[in-house]
Amino acid sequence: QVQLQESGPGLVNPSGTLSLTCAVSGASISSNDWWIWVRQPPGKGLEWIGEMFHGGTTNYNPSLESRVTISVDKSKNHFSLKLASVTAADTAMYYCARDFRDGYNTGFDYWGPGTLVTVSS
Amino acid sequence: DIQMTQSPSSVSASVGDRVTITCRASQSISTWLAWYQQKPGKAPKLLIYAASTLQSGVPSRFSGSGSGTHFTLTISSLQPEDFATYYCQQSNGFPPTFGQGTRLEIK
Repeated sequence: QVQLQESGPGLVNPSGTLSLTCAVSGASISSNDWWIWVRQPPGKGLEWIGEMFHGGTTNYNPSLESRVTISVDKSKNHFSLKLASVTAADTAMYYCARDFRDGYNTGFDYWGPGTLVTVSS
Repeated sequence: DIQMTQSPSSVSASVGDRVTITCRASQSISTWLAWYQQKPGKAPKLLIYAASTLQSGVPSRFSGSGSGTHFTLTISSLQPEDFATYYCQQSNGFPPTFGQGTRLEIK
């Protein structure tokens, strides 16, 4: 059974850097899947942040690209998110998930439970 | 970005009802569409991908259809556990984008 688990500080200072890690179990992060981050502000909808392939290829949402970095640690089977220069608008539940891709099929099939990050002093 | 618009934004229904949720894309996305169910305090759950393919383990009362710009999610006979928020999501354009959500409430 594939499981993902987010971890990291729940409170970040304005102008600081949000750092989260997603630990993957039951699957290899070096598989042919992509690994993603999605966020959801309280009471609002879902926003795709970015994705990573184990070879190091990353793609980011243009709306966040200047502030986002996604990286992988294959030895620990986990991947990470860094979001710089945060403001209150970055307060959200942050989810990591797997994006399976099989020819013309794709979907975010496994998700972590999410971690709430609040930006406040 | 491709805009995804769901309707209605909320709907009230009773157990046993048939419910249909619509998702429209601002441009053609072929069948690169997925549907998710989210319950309060939980992560989204993949229900359908490729517009009409049921994810493993999802009850057959859920079905999806459509292509191009118009898609629907139908729940044939609502069960108590189906009351949740539903999101469509496209993966044809970059970045992937979600609809604003449809909240399904108990009447």
